[in-house]
Amino acid sequence: AQKVTQAQTEISVVEKEDVTLDCVYETRDTTYYLFWYKQPPSGELVFLIRRNSFDEQNEISGRYSWNFQKSTSSFNFTITASQVVDSAVYFCALIMDTGRRALTFGSGTRLQVQP
Amino acid sequence: EAGVAQSPRYKIIEKRQSVAFWCNPISGHATLYWYQQILGQGPKLLIQFQNNGVVDDSQLPKDRFSAERLKGVDSTLKIQPAKLEDSAVYLCASSLEVVDVELFFGSGTQLSVL
Repeated sequence: AQKVTQAQTEISVVEKEDVTLDCVYETRDTTYYLFWYKQPPSGELVFLIRRNSFDEQNEISGRYSWNFQKSTSSFNFTITASQVVDSAVYFCALIMDTGRRALTFGSGTRLQVQP
Repeated sequence: EAGVAQSPRYKIIEKRQSVAFWCNPISGHATLYWYQQILGQGPKLLIQFQNNGVVDDSQLPKDRFSAERLKGVDSTLKIQPAKLEDSAVYLCASSLEVVDVELFFGSGTQLSVL
């Protein structure tokens, strides 16, 4: 069985601060995919990034960066110089390459960025 | 390209009533998913279709929930009778194929059961 844990329920920062959202996963598969989604107050899940288990290279996209470490089963997400528009709930999710190919989500981290 | 369409956006019913939600996936997407998202939790898969066949419904409470995708395109999810604990956002998602890892989500239907 697969599991995704987001231990941080809620984080509050002041604009321009950097913030890291933690994600730890469990899976028996050697091939899997990890995701981050953003859910703004409107409710729609917005895709941010996908990584496969063979690609441990860190990725940077603008103010967003992701740190994937198989040794610790973690896929952490950092927002640099946070903005008020970053306020949302962020979900980490996992799909295994075998068996049920549906996303397993963590419980989410609510990020509040104060002006 | 049009996204995943869901309706209604909001629904308020009393317990023991029935309710139905509708989803139209992205054109050409063979795989369709229904997720339930209870407040403060991550979405949980209810059912997954490949065309008009069910791939996984192991977490669907079949005594009260049902879903169909008769022509392999749009889908309806029904709850009959509703319970208070069914209050949640019901999200529909689609992907090109069951082996495709990229899911596209609709805006969801927010259900309140009073």
